[in-house]
Amino acid sequence: GAGVSQTPSNKVTEKGKYVELRCDPISGHTALYWYRQSLGQGPEFLIYFQGTGAADDSGLPNDRFFAVRPEGSVSTLKIQRTERGDSAVYLCASSLDVGIYNEQFFGPGTRLTVL
Amino acid sequence: RKEVEQDPGPFNVPEGATVAFNCTYSNSASQSFFWYRQDCRKEPKLLMSVYSSGNEDGRFTAQLNRASQYISLLIRDSKLSDSATYLCVVRGPSGQNFVFGPGTRLSVLP
Repeated sequence: GAGVSQTPSNKVTEKGKYVELRCDPISGHTALYWYRQSLGQGPEFLIYFQGTGAADDSGLPNDRFFAVRPEGSVSTLKIQRTERGDSAVYLCASSLDVGIYNEQFFGPGTRLTVL
Repeated sequence: RKEVEQDPGPFNVPEGATVAFNCTYSNSASQSFFWYRQDCRKEPKLLMSVYSSGNEDGRFTAQLNRASQYISLLIRDSKLSDSATYLCVVRGPSGQNFVFGPGTRLSVLP
């Protein structure tokens, strides 16, 4: 079956612009996570959804970042007034539910470059 | 102190060598533990979960010491295909977020 997909694969934008990054999780997975990864670092947790609700958004760096998952499937990460420091790979992952040893399956990521 | 710390690496080892990676975590209430593997410019993939009793999967052995807040990964008989970055991952007390370490890069040389 299909894995987690993310679009676009690459996004180049100018400072101050608005961007949306999309994640399509594995069908039937109720848990969805967003991370961002800078070069040479591990993924940094941003937000976690269980179904439609954001169960933990403690990793969002500031109020320019927002994410939704209106129907409990596809999620969109929205970044307003982008800054050069937002440049990173944004990874999405999904898992079947919230069992403590449930595996997270990652998408290929969206590489965001803010000029 | 960072929540999850790992050996800085990189580790450069010959084929057939045994290599061990260490990871420490700061939150004693963390729920569960994992090792993920990440190839260059690819997404992370689960290598193995780490259980309290320790577990083995072929050439890979993971151990957890909750008292010392320490996790290890041992790779025996290294293969060229083991070259990757190994990420230590800790699930937080709430069970709702995962904290990744910075990763340790392994290069297995012919």
